[in-house]
Amino acid sequence: DTAVSQTPKYLVTQMGNDKSIKCEQNLGHDTMYWYKQDSKKFLKIMFSYNNKELIINETVPNRFSPKSPDKAHLNLHINSLELGDSAVYFCASSQDSNLYEQYFGPGTRLTVT
Amino acid sequence: SQELEQSPQSLIVQEGKNLTINCTSSKTLYGLYWYKQKYGEGLIFLMMLQKGGEEKSHEKITAKLDEKKQQSSLHITASQPSHAGIYLCGAEVSTYKYIFGTGTRLKVLA
Repeated sequence: DTAVSQTPKYLVTQMGNDKSIKCEQNLGHDTMYWYKQDSKKFLKIMFSYNNKELIINETVPNRFSPKSPDKAHLNLHINSLELGDSAVYFCASSQDSNLYEQYFGPGTRLTVT
Repeated sequence: SQELEQSPQSLIVQEGKNLTINCTSSKTLYGLYWYKQKYGEGLIFLMMLQKGGEEKSHEKITAKLDEKKQQSSLHITASQPSHAGIYLCGAEVSTYKYIFGTGTRLKVLA
């Protein structure tokens, strides 16, 4: 079984649309994360939840909203998509909230046209 | 703002050669992380260093954090094609505040 899974793997959508990316981990970890990696491979952490509590909330547009229905899931909802949102979004999980021994999902490549 | 500089940006080595990748900060870091990303795939956590002078190894990869906790080096011994990918360093610069380096693309020629 895949430890950290994301759906969809690819997402192509038009500007202005609203979309969601789902993430699930079956490792029993307490902390989950969302990262954005742009076309130049620059990686940026966006959000982190520990036991459904938001602990990292970096400066990202408020069009991005994470939702954690339970500690095994952390979904990312994006409103009013813009061209600059095109990137690969990675979900990750770890037992503790200090990035130690993180497991990453395969990524979701979002293309906004 | 604080940044993490990685060098070199890219590296091509012959199989069997040793290599070193550096990650440098202008300020003291709380913790330093190394990741590997295979082309077109997700990231793999390699190791975390927290104490000045700390050194850790994973198979043929060794990473060290200097005494001032401002620079880390990643050393690969006897490189293999399986080592190819992008190596990223990340660091905790304050509580729950993390930044990442610009990445080093490694190619190993068989």
